[in-house]
Amino acid sequence: EVQLVESGGGLVQPGGSLRLSCAASGFTFSNYAMHWVRQAPGKGLEYLSVISGNGGSTYYANFVKGRFTISRDNSKNTLYLQMGSLRAEDMAMYYCARALATTSPLDYWGQGTLVTVSS
Amino acid sequence: QSVLTQPPSVSGAPGQRVTISCTGSSSNIGAGYDVHWYQQLPGTAPKLLIYGNNNRPSGVPDRFSGSKSGTSASLAITGLQAEDEADYYCQSYDSSLSGWVFGGGTKLTVL
Repeated sequence: EVQLVESGGGLVQPGGSLRLSCAASGFTFSNYAMHWVRQAPGKGLEYLSVISGNGGSTYYANFVKGRFTISRDNSKNTLYLQMGSLRAEDMAMYYCARALATTSPLDYWGQGTLVTVSS
Repeated sequence: QSVLTQPPSVSGAPGQRVTISCTGSSSNIGAGYDVHWYQQLPGTAPKLLIYGNNNRPSGVPDRFSGSKSGTSASLAITGLQAEDEADYYCQSYDSSLSGWVFGGGTKLTVL
């Protein structure tokens, strides 16, 4: 069974940093591109970033470029999102999702991890 | 403002048919990029509903269908059921942004 389990969310002060993790199981992790998508409370889905299966290719939405870094450790079947210079508007549920290729649909999603940015 | 435009809400009675539109532009849907649809039930993570414009993943009822024409796409739901009440999102690739984009989402209410 495919499982994606996010962790690492929590309360962080404005300007602070946080690293999210997404532990994958039930499939060959390195064969899949992995994505991060977020959803602010009561708002819609917002696309953040993708990394290719071998980690050699990444993409970031303009509004997180330079602040967020996506990475993966295929030996640990884990995806990461390093977030820095956090702002109130970054407060959201963060989801990881997999896709067969970077342009394929996101066919499995994790349950999300909540990031709260507040002083 | 989302690159892909969806109506904020639609509604229908049980058994009826509803459609949800997703309007893009020449840099995304109109450029020939596939449209995917996701269903998000209250309090849960999104789930892939339609991929590649009109394909259903295994387990998705055939009451759900997708179509695409020009710079727009649509999701149709026939035989509405109470459990269809959810938020629905379209997604496509945008060449001017060089990345994926979502529609703003549509809340479906089953009356």
